[in-house]
Amino acid sequence: DAGITQSPRYKITETGRQVTLMCHQTWSHSYMFWYRQDLGHGLRLIYYSAAADITDKGEVPDGYVVSRSKTENFPLTLESATRSQTSVYFCASSERGATGNTIYFGEGSWLTVV
Amino acid sequence: ELKVEQNPLFLSMQEGKNYTIYCNYSTTSDRLYWYRQDPGKSLESLFVLLSNGAVKQEGRLMASLDTKARLSTLHITAAVHDLSATYFCAVVPMDSNYQLIWGAGTKLIIKP
Repeated sequence: DAGITQSPRYKITETGRQVTLMCHQTWSHSYMFWYRQDLGHGLRLIYYSAAADITDKGEVPDGYVVSRSKTENFPLTLESATRSQTSVYFCASSERGATGNTIYFGEGSWLTVV
Repeated sequence: ELKVEQNPLFLSMQEGKNYTIYCNYSTTSDRLYWYRQDPGKSLESLFVLLSNGAVKQEGRLMASLDTKARLSTLHITAAVHDLSATYFCAVVPMDSNYQLIWGAGTKLIIKP
């Protein structure tokens, strides 16, 4: 029961570099999400996907790109990393979006942009 | 503006005591989640409350939802050290099937 896995778990990168955070889920859930967690802000939705090839913006999408060519994968790319993107990134998945019984979270990816 | 406010944001308490965390929200909703997060870890689902008056209990934790007052509570009974964590509530707006609006979290420290 692998669940939902993120990689890398920890990453330090330089300003201006491109970074991709990977997310893989084994449940065939339709919905997948990317959140960022910053102190004092709770979680904020970056992008979500309702199914393969369907993605949409959340609250804070600027500077990020996503794709979903397969149901099980939902990578998040920072095209040109900035210091303000230093954060903890959580991938999540669920069967029925926010209207299901629960949303499952990955272990998180700690990203530092220097 | 969609807002979810938790209070307190920080709580230090003794083992054996009871306490309540409050989650107020600004939008119409009939679905609310409670999650737990240990330091440096992922978020663990505790409860999903699906209708007005819903009450769920698991061990020393009990959550309730009052959609008319736009208020959820997470009550801790006879706290034990293992319940030390940060607790988040998240609200699903009525017209959304994907959006969760999160509170800032309540950091709970339970001292032996």
